[in-house]
Amino acid sequence: GAVVSQHPSRVICKSGTSVKIECRSLDFQATTMFWYRQFPKQSLMLMATSNEGSKATYEQGVEKDKFLINHASLTLSTLTVTSAHPEDSSFYICSARDLLSGDTGELFFGEGSRLTVL
Amino acid sequence: GQNIDQPTEMTATEGAIVQINCTYQTSGFNGLFWYQQHAGEAPTFLSYNVLDGLEEKGRFSSFLSRSKGYSYLLLKELQMKDSASYLCAVRDSNYQLIWGAGTKLIIKP
Repeated sequence: GAVVSQHPSRVICKSGTSVKIECRSLDFQATTMFWYRQFPKQSLMLMATSNEGSKATYEQGVEKDKFLINHASLTLSTLTVTSAHPEDSSFYICSARDLLSGDTGELFFGEGSRLTVL
Repeated sequence: GQNIDQPTEMTATEGAIVQINCTYQTSGFNGLFWYQQHAGEAPTFLSYNVLDGLEEKGRFSSFLSRSKGYSYLLLKELQMKDSASYLCAVRDSNYQLIWGAGTKLIIKP
């Protein structure tokens, strides 16, 4: 199956700093990638849809100036958490859909990045 | 509004069978997915149903009834490694995925 790689897997930062998370599709081209956030014991919450070469589409309630998304190529999307605060501590997961995977349109997920803001 | 319901937690015994139910109310329907998520890891794809009926894949099977807005994931010959959360997700008319909160499955020896 398609492989999505996410880095870093864990990051600890001080309040007020910015953190960048990378998401790469390793063996397929992803025109669209999705960024999720997941709090403990809760389900995945879609934050934004990242489109290659254009602006990301953010879900309601997600601050676009705080969560900067860049999708500069067909294999790389980045999420930057700017001026991070402790309440931003969460598990961030990216995913992509391989259009050649057939009609299922299943999502392939990165390994996830656990962000802890002190 | 759109809603996916599944039990919060279930417990089963190693070697047994367990059925995890999922009911949904969404704006349109373009397929239902089941994902497995181990603690601290990203979800992995288990199954996809778009037509009514049972899809079998090894020890795991998934069933769909569109008229009832209902699906279940059946796990047979349970193994300790099956302890995980199981997420039900429905793709709506806009091809957006609506996620359930997940069912935490605990397997006991």
